[in-house]
Amino acid sequence: AQSVAQPEDQVNVAEGNPLTVKCTYSVSGNPYLFWYVQYPNRGLQFLLKYITGDNLVKGSYGFEAEFNKSQTSFHLKKPSALVSDSALYFCAVRDIRDSSASKIIFGSGTRLSIRP
Amino acid sequence: ETGVTQTPRHLVMGMTNKKSLKCEQHLGHNAMYWYKQSAKKPLELMFVYNFKEQTENNSVPSRFSPECPNSSHLFLHLHTLQPEDSALYLCASSQATQAGSYEQYFGPGTRLTVT
Repeated sequence: AQSVAQPEDQVNVAEGNPLTVKCTYSVSGNPYLFWYVQYPNRGLQFLLKYITGDNLVKGSYGFEAEFNKSQTSFHLKKPSALVSDSALYFCAVRDIRDSSASKIIFGSGTRLSIRP
Repeated sequence: ETGVTQTPRHLVMGMTNKKSLKCEQHLGHNAMYWYKQSAKKPLELMFVYNFKEQTENNSVPSRFSPECPNSSHLFLHLHTLQPEDSALYLCASSQATQAGSYEQYFGPGTRLTVT
């Protein structure tokens, strides 16, 4: 069975500092991996995805994520945090061998708080 | 958020009421989803429709009844709900193919309060 874990409920970072939001996954085969962001009273917005190829994936708003197969991780990063990055972040995974398009599993979410 | 729209944005209903949530996607996708998001709980997948056919029902109580008349519209009919059904209900859409890596696009959600 596939699963995804976000070990931190909350991450606090000062504006201008680098940020990392952690995600680890478990799938039987190879994964598709996704990051989403949710601002207050809004739906989830797609940030980036890893399918294959380069392990470093660049996405919206200056975010990037690094796929590490040996550590089964897909951490979200940004070199310099902005106050406007404060939001709830979700990691998600799908096993590419799963024929059902619906089998995307979401993590429990990490609340990112950027202080001025 | 013009890609996926949801109405109403907020809904307060009594336990004996009947109401419906509406979702519309303007992205040409062929799969649509209903999720429930409650405070301090993981996102819960409720229903999935591929090409208007329901392909997944994750043990959702019968007081929630989905309807997908075409690939652009999705409804969630509600009746005799319980207070614990209060949550944010999110609709999403995506392309759906066996080999697809397609991400889901979400609407803004309907904040439902059951009194």
